[in-house]
Amino acid sequence: SQQGEEDPQALSIQEGENATMNCSYKTSINNLQWYRQNSGRGLVHLILIRSNEREKHSGRLRVTLDTSKKSSSLLITASRAADTASYFCATGTGTASKLTFGTGTRLQVTL
Amino acid sequence: GAGVSQSPSNKVTEKGKDVELRCDPISGHTALYWYRQSLGQGLEFLIYFQGNSAPDKSGLPSDRFSAERTGGSVSTLTIQRTQQEDSAVYLCASSLAGAGEQYFGPGTRLTVT
Repeated sequence: SQQGEEDPQALSIQEGENATMNCSYKTSINNLQWYRQNSGRGLVHLILIRSNEREKHSGRLRVTLDTSKKSSSLLITASRAADTASYFCATGTGTASKLTFGTGTRLQVTL
Repeated sequence: GAGVSQSPSNKVTEKGKDVELRCDPISGHTALYWYRQSLGQGLEFLIYFQGNSAPDKSGLPSDRFSAERTGGSVSTLTIQRTQQEDSAVYLCASSLAGAGEQYFGPGTRLTVT
């Protein structure tokens, strides 16, 4: 079963614009992670935020976490065509624990 | 260094046959996970191995599914008497003990005809 929902399901923007994706989850978590998937195959880890953190940055990525609302957002700034992919949030209930994935957001960045 | 590898990359099998999917985790990673991704169900957890502890099998959909991890390294996921609903991409991931992030292999696309 899936932990929660992501929205939007699909997002189309132009290169240079920012992209924001949201994730909601249902149960208590230890950490929340974001992954990218190209062409329906392997997932690439992007960023991990722990339950006691509120915001984290990595390059052009910014993640926020609101545990009171059980929600997270991923912001990609100055998007590039190479950012075109599906993005998934995933929650972990402990370190080295199984992940429960959201439904994913398909991002299309056009030139 | 080498990432997580999986074989085969694609497998087509007839309904009722058994299949074995292989995963080679990153060297030194003690945790190994299997997930399944299908159109109707999204990404689902199947099974998790951590060191010498008993595996967490809570995600296996039926007793036709089993997995083993030999010598704390390579893992094999076996599906017996395959059904059409088993068609999916099977993803393996590994992680360091105590770390949250998981490293995924490219997956095995299984098609049951």
